[in-house]
Amino acid sequence: DQQVKQNSPSLSVQEGRISILNCDYTNSMFDYFLWYKKYPAEGPTFLISISSIKDKNEDGRFTVFLNKSAKHLSLHIVPSQPGDSAVYFCAASMNSGGSNYKLTFGKGTLLTVNP
Amino acid sequence: DAGITQSPRYKITETGRQVTLMCHQTWSHSYMFWYRQDLGHGLRLIYYSAAADITDKGEVPDGYVVSRSKTENFPLTLESATRSQTSVYFCASRLAGFYNEQFFGPGTRLTVL
Repeated sequence: DQQVKQNSPSLSVQEGRISILNCDYTNSMFDYFLWYKKYPAEGPTFLISISSIKDKNEDGRFTVFLNKSAKHLSLHIVPSQPGDSAVYFCAASMNSGGSNYKLTFGKGTLLTVNP
Repeated sequence: DAGITQSPRYKITETGRQVTLMCHQTWSHSYMFWYRQDLGHGLRLIYYSAAADITDKGEVPDGYVVSRSKTENFPLTLESATRSQTSVYFCASRLAGFYNEQFFGPGTRLTVL
């Protein structure tokens, strides 16, 4: 049973426009959410995170929104740039309760930003 | 070099052979993790370690063995490789404590023929 779901395998946007990547989760015990970006032949790199006590976190062009009641989070990239083209993974963890900080990942969304 | 490194970056082996993938980090992070990435599955946790000599299973541990005698190293061994273990393997590490991210190595692409 997949606890973290990214239902869009791919997304294509024009340079300068907004990219919105979505993620749903089923486990209400998750209390920390992260987004990673991955280029081909490289390891995932951390992008931005949000704890369950917040509903928004912003870092430059990247903003993550969390809707706990809907068990949904989204990553907004504004404005999108061609260098943002990569696979984006949503991940979740339970930081309390002795979970040892394990991450549960979604399957990823391939973002293509067209010049 | 500082950071987290993996070796080899590419490996081709045959069914039944033993293979060890190496992971080394220079940050003295207490936590280390092994993931595999497969098409249609994202990243799945194989094993993790909370400290030297403390390891535990993740989501897909069958066919793998880990050890952690030193904080900075976390080798992953496939005792008898199978074709289903063809994958890209990522090692990661993090500090203990809430709200810290995991840092990933560059990955090892393993092909089992």
